[in-house]
Amino acid sequence: DAGITQSPRYKITETGRQVTLMCHQTWSHSYMFWYRQDLGHGLRLIYYSAAADITDKGEVPDGYVVSRSKTENFPLTLESATRSQTSVYFCASSDRGRTKNIQYFGAGTRLSVL
Amino acid sequence: AQSVSQHNHHVILSEAASLELGCNYSYGGTVNLFWYVQYPGQHLQLLLKYFSGDPLVKGIKGFEAEFIKSKFSFNLRKPSVQWSDTAEYFCAVNEKLTFGTGTRLTIIP
Repeated sequence: DAGITQSPRYKITETGRQVTLMCHQTWSHSYMFWYRQDLGHGLRLIYYSAAADITDKGEVPDGYVVSRSKTENFPLTLESATRSQTSVYFCASSDRGRTKNIQYFGAGTRLSVL
Repeated sequence: AQSVSQHNHHVILSEAASLELGCNYSYGGTVNLFWYVQYPGQHLQLLLKYFSGDPLVKGIKGFEAEFIKSKFSFNLRKPSVQWSDTAEYFCAVNEKLTFGTGTRLTIIP
């Protein structure tokens, strides 16, 4: 039962570089989410997806791009990384049934932008 | 827009003390409410949830929460905490999970 996996777990990059954070789930959940966790802000939704090829903005989408060509993958791309994007990023998924509101989280990716 | 407030940023308790963490939300419609826990170095996991029915919900590890609609609150409680409850606790509302800022709980042995 692999669940939901994120890669890499740690990433250091420089300002202006493009970075892609990967998220893969094995449950065939319809919904997938990306959050960032920052001190004093808790978790904030960046983007989410209700199904393959359907994505929508969350609370803090600026500077990020997502895609969902396959149900199981939901990569998050920082097109031109900035220091303010230094954060811990969590991917999550949930299904469409009675439990659709319960989200299952990955272990997170700690990103440092220098 | 919906929002969630957790007024306790850091709570320090001794083992066996009782715990209550506050959560208030702002949302006019039907709410689904959650408490998630993040143990040190780990990912978030669901502690308990409220969708409908009995406003007193029980979760894992002896935690419970009470939904009080008139107060827009969903406070988390545990009658006797353990050192292993040291973690960060997040209240969240609805499908896209609007989170509160979290409460760090430190239990002193």
